[in-house]
Amino acid sequence: EPEVTQTPSHQVTQMGQEVILRCVPISNHLYFYWYRQILGQKVEFLVSFYNNEISEKSEIFDDQFSVERPDGSNFTLKIRSTKLEDSAMYFCASSEVGLAMGELFFGEGSRLTVL
Amino acid sequence: DAKTTQPNSMESNEEEPVHLPCNHSTISGTDYIHWYRQLPSQGPEYVIHGLTSNVNNRMASLAIAEDRKSSTLILHRATLRDAAVYYCILKKGSARQLTFGSGTQLTVLP
Repeated sequence: EPEVTQTPSHQVTQMGQEVILRCVPISNHLYFYWYRQILGQKVEFLVSFYNNEISEKSEIFDDQFSVERPDGSNFTLKIRSTKLEDSAMYFCASSEVGLAMGELFFGEGSRLTVL
Repeated sequence: DAKTTQPNSMESNEEEPVHLPCNHSTISGTDYIHWYRQLPSQGPEYVIHGLTSNVNNRMASLAIAEDRKSSTLILHRATLRDAAVYYCILKKGSARQLTFGSGTQLTVLP
């Protein structure tokens, strides 16, 4: 069964450092997303991406965050200067069609620990 | 987005059916009802979705009330692997995000 893969599974970084989280969505999917979950809290939407541009973003997704699809397979989330509160599990997701009509496939997540 | 209300937790015995309720009294005509679940230390996983009619798939059934103000996710035969947080989410047709609530923590007892 096709799946969304994420790397790294766990990253530890110092506050102020840049971090790039990588995702390989399912190959025929057109919509890409990042969500995050702080330990013990709800899953929160960060950003959606379609046709090589951001289609929607939340208040969390400020200027410190950026997303990119550098080639035909990868989808990345960059945090420019990490803060302690960025420590969370980050989930990449993809869908073949628009969200209401179809399912979202999530990866297993990348755990980010900011010290 | 319209709000959903779910019990914080439920318990079920293994191999018995489980009915997970969700209230969404402010649902609008264009809201789809989605269910996802999150197993421990994993990303959310799609379970099922519907608009007005009841839906069945290999994982579960979704029963939607006639007035659409509530729905029930039915796991026909719970297994230990079904222990997870189950999220009931309303999503408009044009929406590009899912808004997760706190969900229902399902415990399956052997």
